[in-house]
Amino acid sequence: DTEVTQTPKHLVMGMTNKKSLKCEQHMGHRAMYWYKQKAKKPPELMFVYSYEKLSINESVPSRFSPECPNSSLLNLHLHALQPEDSALYLCASSLRIGPVDRRDGNTIYFGEGSWLTVV
Amino acid sequence: DAKTTQPPSMDCAEGRAANLPCNHSTISGNEYVYWYRQIHSQGPQYIIHGLKNNETNEMASLIITEDRKSSTLILPHATLRDTAVYYCTSSGNTGKLIFGQGTTLQVKP
Repeated sequence: DTEVTQTPKHLVMGMTNKKSLKCEQHMGHRAMYWYKQKAKKPPELMFVYSYEKLSINESVPSRFSPECPNSSLLNLHLHALQPEDSALYLCASSLRIGPVDRRDGNTIYFGEGSWLTVV
Repeated sequence: DAKTTQPPSMDCAEGRAANLPCNHSTISGNEYVYWYRQIHSQGPQYIIHGLKNNETNEMASLIITEDRKSSTLILPHATLRDTAVYYCTSSGNTGKLIFGQGTTLQVKP
């Protein structure tokens, strides 16, 4: 069972709205991730946070704004989205980024996702 | 980041072993091979990972070739609940887990 919790599970928003997706984990993980997944496509990496600092931004448009207020929480703030941004947004976490060890291998664990529809 | 290649779809009879291949010929020495699966409308579920030795856990076995250019995920006794999209991917020190197109496994009664 996943220990990464995402809220809300479903969100419908207009193109002028401001909304946020939230993600929480209590596994003591210090790396957190946002992925976007369109229908029938694989997940695509958006952002990586390491020790609450943004480590990777995969050239994501500024209408998506991530925030990591502490080591357990990750938010994705949404503003002025387009209908093509409708997708499943997946949060994930791992023990850390960096040298891997055999025991954990920096395994990334995913939440169940938030379904976003932009109208 | 290593690119992975998988067959788009496979069928397996219920109760038989499902062998899912993956090619990762560009994998670097410090990158682990990871397998995930995704059942419709759910988040990806971690299955197993390995570096260069074969690995087994309660879900599956992972066979990695000696040159590390390919691997096979084995589900020893497939059930209908194993029907899913299976992703082979790799990750090293950067934290970037990049998914390929995956294999849709259909387990049939």
